[in-house]
Amino acid sequence: GESVGLHLPTLSVQEGDNSIINCAYSNSASDYFIWYKQESGKGPQFIIDIRSNMDKRQGQRVTVLLNKTVKHLSLQIAATQPGDSAVYFCAEKRGANSKLTFGKGITLSVRP
Amino acid sequence: NAGVTQTPKFRILKIGQSMTLQCAQDMNHNYMYWYRQDPGMGLKLIYYSVGAGITDKGEVPNGYNVSRSTTEDFPLRLELAAPSQTSVYFCASSYGGVNVLGGANVLTFGAGSRLTVL
Repeated sequence: GESVGLHLPTLSVQEGDNSIINCAYSNSASDYFIWYKQESGKGPQFIIDIRSNMDKRQGQRVTVLLNKTVKHLSLQIAATQPGDSAVYFCAEKRGANSKLTFGKGITLSVRP
Repeated sequence: NAGVTQTPKFRILKIGQSMTLQCAQDMNHNYMYWYRQDPGMGLKLIYYSVGAGITDKGEVPNGYNVSRSTTEDFPLRLELAAPSQTSVYFCASSYGGVNVLGGANVLTFGAGSRLTVL
């Protein structure tokens, strides 16, 4: 099976609330993780990345948390906006010369 | 920069037909990739290339071929189209290499090519 998976297929949040999207990975050798956002009809776009020697990394309105003990990755979006509605993918990489492995994706729907 | 450009955006094929999906990038990236995305699923790697003249198989290479004669172009060839190849295809590129934050491993994706095989 896939080594990168997402707990829930869909997430619905109220505009202005914070969103938390979770991702589990099974390979403890993974050392690099990326979150991508895919809007309808478009290719995935980079949001934020994190290395395995970090627990947390912040971007603009987004934070990625990495818990290596339980092999869990999360993406937090502050003050969720309608433009955040999209499918979100986590991806992992094991070493410099390996390829990214993508999870199935979770749909974030923002209610006005 | 145009980024990653894919053509065509849409195509309908009959079973057994062949076609080539084109991909070009103008960012001087070394690594290029082809993924397919089936409904409700993540991205599956078909083929990738770490530089001109070098290609390698990904997770789902059967039924496809690629070539990398230049740094900029990475076409994907379907020789005998089958209904199982109905999907959205994404080309991507990156500098590749070490896991530098926000750098070499960030893939830039094209807008996708939707292929239907009937």
